[in-house]
Amino acid sequence: EAGVVQSPRYKIIEKKQPVAFWCNPISGHNTLYWYLQNLGQGPELLIRYENEEAVDDSQLPKDRFSAERLKGVDSTLKIQPAELGDSAVYLCASSLEGRDREYSSSYNEQFFGPGTRLTVL
Amino acid sequence: AQSVSQHNHHVILSEAASLELGCNYSYGGTVNLFWYVQYPGQHLQLLLKYFSGDPLVKGIKGFEAEFIKSKFSFNLRKPSVQWSDTAEYFCAVKGYSTLTFGKGTMLLVSP
Repeated sequence: EAGVVQSPRYKIIEKKQPVAFWCNPISGHNTLYWYLQNLGQGPELLIRYENEEAVDDSQLPKDRFSAERLKGVDSTLKIQPAELGDSAVYLCASSLEGRDREYSSSYNEQFFGPGTRLTVL
Repeated sequence: AQSVSQHNHHVILSEAASLELGCNYSYGGTVNLFWYVQYPGQHLQLLLKYFSGDPLVKGIKGFEAEFIKSKFSFNLRKPSVQWSDTAEYFCAVKGYSTLTFGKGTMLLVSP
């Protein structure tokens, strides 16, 4: 079974340029996550989708970051314009969550992609 | 808000030594607990998880973790480490919906 696919794996851009990352989750997974991982830190959630709906984007800096998950499958994360401080690894993860909210979140494992390492010069 | 604290940022051990990585969390309700591992050049993988039941959880590659509710802890253990265990280890807690990670512990095992 294919895992979570992300592209590109590496991206180097100059500040103020736009950049986009793409994620293809595991087939059948209805929940998709974007995380940010700075050097020496654990991943931090940026946005969570349940199918096409962004159900938690409270940590997404909306002035420059945007995301979409059309048709509830692939997702893109965009930064425009990029700043020096955006240099980090951007991780995508997916999981299969059940319909019952009371229990579904407790029983599903998140599978992570390899990440995109962004360097802003 | 939930949070996770990992006690050590770097650990260096010789092969065959025993390992214990500390993890404490804060959250007011029922939690699910995880240990993830990231080997050099690879993506995050689940090592083990606790949802309910037996507080001693066994994972892959001989790892285990014990959930001690009274101490809000979920320490990772392995009786005898190998060089191939060199990796970064992340403890994570999940409350209702959000998975929160600790800062990670870099384990270096010398042959």
